[in-house]
Amino acid sequence: SQTIHQWPATLVQPVGSPLSLECTVEGTSNPNLYWYRQAAGRGLQLLFYSVGIGQISSEVPQNLSASRPQDRQFILSSKKLLLSDSGFYLCAWGDRNQPQHFGDGTRLSIL
Amino acid sequence: DAKTTQPPSMDCAEGRAANLPCNHSTISGNEYVYWYRQIHSQGPQYIIHGLKNNETNEMASLIITEDRKSSTLILPHATLRDTAVYYCIVRSYTGTASKLTFGTGTRLQVML
Repeated sequence: SQTIHQWPATLVQPVGSPLSLECTVEGTSNPNLYWYRQAAGRGLQLLFYSVGIGQISSEVPQNLSASRPQDRQFILSSKKLLLSDSGFYLCAWGDRNQPQHFGDGTRLSIL
Repeated sequence: DAKTTQPPSMDCAEGRAANLPCNHSTISGNEYVYWYRQIHSQGPQYIIHGLKNNETNEMASLIITEDRKSSTLILPHATLRDTAVYYCIVRSYTGTASKLTFGTGTRLQVML
């Protein structure tokens, strides 16, 4: 069966520091991968999605970037974090005709 | 993308059926209705989806109106563990990827 892993579960970072969140998927090949962010008390916002290695689509302009160096690896990065980058970051995988399945998320706090 | 409208909150007694409504009046003919739920501090969990016909699985039933402008998620025997935020989503496709647009959902509180 397929599983999705995200780490770390929680992260506290100072403003201006870099960020790297990693997501890996097991049990499937060539999945579509997604990064979402959820601000406190709000719904999820799609940030990036990828349909293959090296292929990244950005949904909203922001201080973040994404990369997909391997088929089942999706990385969310920032060179300099802002206070507004705080939130709950979720990775998901799915195929065109299948539901998306989410990881357990990373709760990021910027101080 | 078609938008959805859900009540912000609902209460349900444990053991009773929970009926969660959703309006999606601008849905296109090839768009599916998906339901997810999110228990506090966890990632969303897929529940069920449908296009035209009613659907049922081990978690819930989905009733879609004939005009497809609204739907209802039914949890037949709600338990305390069903307390969560429930999201109704219309799924749109972009090339080979599909995007989920989450609203603010319905916060379901199951009570003793």
